[in-house]
Amino acid sequence: AQSVTQPDIHITVSEGASLELRCNYSYGATPYLFWYVQSPGQGLQLLLKYFSGDTLVQGIKGFEAEFKRSQSSFNLRKPSVHWSDAAEYFCAVVSDTGRRALTFGSGTRLQVQP
Amino acid sequence: ETGVTQSPTHLIKTRGQQVTLRCSSQSGHNTVSWYQQALGQGPQFIFQYYREEENGRGNFPPRFSGLQFPNYSSELNVNALELDDSALYLCASSLVGAADTQYFGPGTRLTVL
Repeated sequence: AQSVTQPDIHITVSEGASLELRCNYSYGATPYLFWYVQSPGQGLQLLLKYFSGDTLVQGIKGFEAEFKRSQSSFNLRKPSVHWSDAAEYFCAVVSDTGRRALTFGSGTRLQVQP
Repeated sequence: ETGVTQSPTHLIKTRGQQVTLRCSSQSGHNTVSWYQQALGQGPQFIFQYYREEENGRGNFPPRFSGLQFPNYSSELNVNALELDDSALYLCASSLVGAADTQYFGPGTRLTVL
């Protein structure tokens, strides 16, 4: 069964600094990978997704992520963080067979310092 | 384009009661999935419905059940509520064949006392 690991529970960065959130997955075939963001008490908003092709994908709000098969990673990056980026970030993988449910990591909480 | 909506926003029940949560899919989407998100955790897959039939289920007991209607809206029913059922319940809709991108509603916060 597939799994997702987000090693960093909590990250604090200064506004304007760069950001990288780590995500490692375990899956036998080529996965479909996603990053979602969740503000307090809210649902999940899709930031970006990877299915195939170019391993560097661009998303909304200036985020990007790079798929590295050799490292089983799909890290999320942003060159300059804004205070409004403070939220919980979830990496997820979906099976390309069967029910296609999302398996989520445990999340990384991002705090932005002024 | 109308996004995914859920009702109610918040709900308080007591242990042993039954609850029904509702979800309206995004326009044009034919698949709905339900997830449970306990405090401080990532969402956990409950089940998925496609063409009004259950299309897969996570590790949840039978007291969690669902329905999908011809207009693709959906219900999640939970019987015999337990304290551990307190969570944010998220509904997500998707379109089969559209690379399975799931779009989430704002969730229903269920508190079981």
